[in-house]
Amino acid sequence: RKEVEQDPGPFNVPEGATVAFNCTYSNSASQSFFWYRQDCRKEPKLLMSVYSSGNEDGRFTAQLNRASQYISLLIRDSKLSDSATYLCVSSGAVNSGYALNFGKGTSLLVTP
Amino acid sequence: EAQVTQNPRYLITVTGKKLTVTCSQNMNHEYMSWYRQDPGLGLRQIYYSMNVEATDKGDVPEGYKVSRKEKRNFPLILESPSPNQTSLYFCASSLYVRQPQHFGDGTRLSIL
Repeated sequence: RKEVEQDPGPFNVPEGATVAFNCTYSNSASQSFFWYRQDCRKEPKLLMSVYSSGNEDGRFTAQLNRASQYISLLIRDSKLSDSATYLCVSSGAVNSGYALNFGKGTSLLVTP
Repeated sequence: EAQVTQNPRYLITVTGKKLTVTCSQNMNHEYMSWYRQDPGLGLRQIYYSMNVEATDKGDVPEGYKVSRKEKRNFPLILESPSPNQTSLYFCASSLYVRQPQHFGDGTRLSIL
């Protein structure tokens, strides 16, 4: 079983819509969590870190639920430029050698 | 400018011909890592390094070698490349293991 699992989508949403992605992780010892954005054939770029208390950056809100071992990303007022693949990442578990674990990504297409 | 630099960006080569992909970062980061990305499989970690002279296997280390003789450089070596190593490769670095990673632009390798 993969350490981090995401719904691959694609999620097709109209401009202005609110969309939410969830991601589950299997290693309860994981310490750090992130959301990355990746455009086609480009390098992943950090979108935001995910904290236990939840955090918000403009239109983006990330939350962590340790009890249920899932991470969420909410995008409000979607823009065309939000079209990309969103990668969920867990890391820092001592019992997995501190390896970073990437989900396969969720594809988002925002349409006019 | 803070960056992770990979070279070459593109390479087409033949089975069995040793090659090295270089990776250099100018941010004084301790943690460096190599990934490969394949359609349907997402990003998979090949090797990582917690610091100079400290390297460890990721999920898919077979057929690869790395070294970390200096903090800034983390080359990926394919001693005898095979067609199943055709992939998009990313180098990444972070200050410490649990911090967000900065990715290089990627290296597209084709092994014929």
